[in-house]
Amino acid sequence: DAEITQSPRHKITETGRQVTLACHQTWNHNNMFWYRQDLGHGLRLIHYSYGVQDTNKGEVSDGYSVSRSNTEDLPLTLESAASSQTSVYFCASSEIWTGTDTQYFGPGTRLTVL
Amino acid sequence: GNSVTQMEGPVTLSEEAFLTINCTYTATGYPSLFWYVQYPGEGLQLLLKATKADDKGSNKGFEATYRKETTSFHLEKGSVQVSDSAVYFCALSGAQGGSEKLVFGKGTKLTVNP
Repeated sequence: DAEITQSPRHKITETGRQVTLACHQTWNHNNMFWYRQDLGHGLRLIHYSYGVQDTNKGEVSDGYSVSRSNTEDLPLTLESAASSQTSVYFCASSEIWTGTDTQYFGPGTRLTVL
Repeated sequence: GNSVTQMEGPVTLSEEAFLTINCTYTATGYPSLFWYVQYPGEGLQLLLKATKADDKGSNKGFEATYRKETTSFHLEKGSVQVSDSAVYFCALSGAQGGSEKLVFGKGTKLTVNP
């Protein structure tokens, strides 16, 4: 069965370190998204991609970057981790452009920045 | 801009009670509307959706009707079960200027007691 996976599931790091969160999907979807989930804020979009070599900034992109070198993967990098980036991160993917399509979510990565 | 407002939680009900979670939206154009559910420790999964006015989405006993005149998409279930305990998110996409990006409400935590 097709799926979307994230790794690691839990990560503790220190302020100032570079961290990369992995997202891998086997749906062969063109669109991939990264969200962060914080209490009182719901989910907020960090970055998204409509295909290979395409990346776009979302609502809360400062301090984060992504790259899309193939269809299956969209890694999220925190260049210099800050305590404000402690959160749960979700990756998602969808097939088509129209806005009617379902997004499929990964299980999440809980990141703690000390 | 595009936004979603849903009722504040938490909501606590007894098994077999009637559930309503209110959701209203602000958007230009003709968005699609979604309810996603997040069970403890998991990622989000689609519960139901509606892509045009007066459409009713339904799944697992849950229903929501896309009301353009009141800009609402309230979630209802006639008889909740303990297994329905989760966080519920209302979301929209496909609004003008937003394409397929999802805009989420802040979530409503539902606890159902036996």
